[in-house]
Amino acid sequence: GEDVEQSLFLSVREGDSSVINCTYTDSSSTYLYWYKQEPGAGLQLLTYIFSNMDMKQDQRLTVLLNKKDKHLSLRIADTQTGDSAIYFCAESLRDGGATNKLIFGTGTLLAVQP
Amino acid sequence: EAGVAQSPRYKIIEKRQSVAFWCNPISGHATLYWYQQILGQGPKLLIQFQNNGVVDDSQLPKDRFSAERLKGVDSTLKIQPAKLEDSAVYLCASSLASGGPRDTQYFGPGTRLTVL
Repeated sequence: GEDVEQSLFLSVREGDSSVINCTYTDSSSTYLYWYKQEPGAGLQLLTYIFSNMDMKQDQRLTVLLNKKDKHLSLRIADTQTGDSAIYFCAESLRDGGATNKLIFGTGTLLAVQP
Repeated sequence: EAGVAQSPRYKIIEKRQSVAFWCNPISGHATLYWYQQILGQGPKLLIQFQNNGVVDDSQLPKDRFSAERLKGVDSTLKIQPAKLEDSAVYLCASSLASGGPRDTQYFGPGTRLTVL
């Protein structure tokens, strides 16, 4: 089945690290994504990881993938107030064709306290 | 480069009325997506177009929802008649190529629909 789960809320202090977690169910996922959604705005792609990778680092962002446990995490180093937003993980499912069907999680609201 | 444009940004209607949303993708993007995002949930794909053809509409409630992309550029999504449970943000996204996994989807700001 297709199901992506995330914790609903995370609160951190400015300058600390944030870790947002996600679990997915479909082992055939090829790519996993992290999107950011600020109030009143669309989704912005932050980063993605191919399913045969364990880790990907991009400036302040580190993505860890545990394929055995179907667990994905996003670590934000030196979290800033501008990082306050809802973060969605998403898995892409191949349906035998060229389409990239994204299944999104419920989102994690990150609140950064100054 | 202009992003994905959507209008209107907000719409309030009564149940059983009709409503239409418009999307203008990023210039040159062949693939266009409509998502429904209910409050507290992640976006759910309703329909995907490749140029002006439908690639995936398996989650589109076809008894009341319809979408078209006649010239392979702009798209409209219509709901007729609307139900209370259609209250959501409708997001449009576009991507450059075939919709494969590394094909980044760029999202518009969305249209927030409230059905009373």
